[in-house]
Amino acid sequence: KAGVTQTPRYLIKTRGQQVTLSCSPISGHRSVSWYQQTPGQGLQFLFEYFSETQRNKGNFPGRFSGRQFSNSRSEMNVSTLELGDSALYLCASSFGLEGTDTQYFGPGTRLTVL
Amino acid sequence: QQPVQSPQAVILREGEDAVINCSSSKALYSVHWYRQKHGEAPVFLMILLKGGEQKGHEKISASFNEKKQQSSLYLTASQLSYSGTYFCGTEMGNNAGNMLTFGGGTRLMVKP
Repeated sequence: KAGVTQTPRYLIKTRGQQVTLSCSPISGHRSVSWYQQTPGQGLQFLFEYFSETQRNKGNFPGRFSGRQFSNSRSEMNVSTLELGDSALYLCASSFGLEGTDTQYFGPGTRLTVL
Repeated sequence: QQPVQSPQAVILREGEDAVINCSSSKALYSVHWYRQKHGEAPVFLMILLKGGEQKGHEKISASFNEKKQQSSLYLTASQLSYSGTYFCGTEMGNNAGNMLTFGGGTRLMVKP
């Protein structure tokens, strides 16, 4: 079956702009989690959506937001971009069952902020 | 709190073995292991739940020592395809949802 897809794969923006990233989960998966990956901070959890509701949230400022649609597709938005937001943004999908769940990652969106 | 992985990097010859450790200062509920190759998405390897269960996946296996709050990933008879960065992701409790805290990664290079 098809894996997790993310669009776009690459983005270049300038400081102050906003950006929207998209993630389509594996068919049947209802949970989508977002992670930021940078050389300095590694892989950091942003938030998780399940059945159109944010279920868990990491330690990121309010400029980072997301949403999930009824078909489980998710979008992540970053407003007022800063240079430090340059990173690989990964989304991961899973069935979202209670307890431990296997997450499958998409290829990521590489965001560069100039 | 971010788990600590060791070593940070390791170079092997094909056929050699390696152990990667993932330690936490807090009680863990589960440990998830992933491998990421350069420019690609992390690929799931295995999950270990508290209880000390050891799991295997071809020549890659892992254990979870609840007393030490440490998981170890064992790579035996390494192949060139094992090269990449290995991450452990941890969960503190059996809460609803997914919220992995990842270690800093271990870079593994397997040479012919």
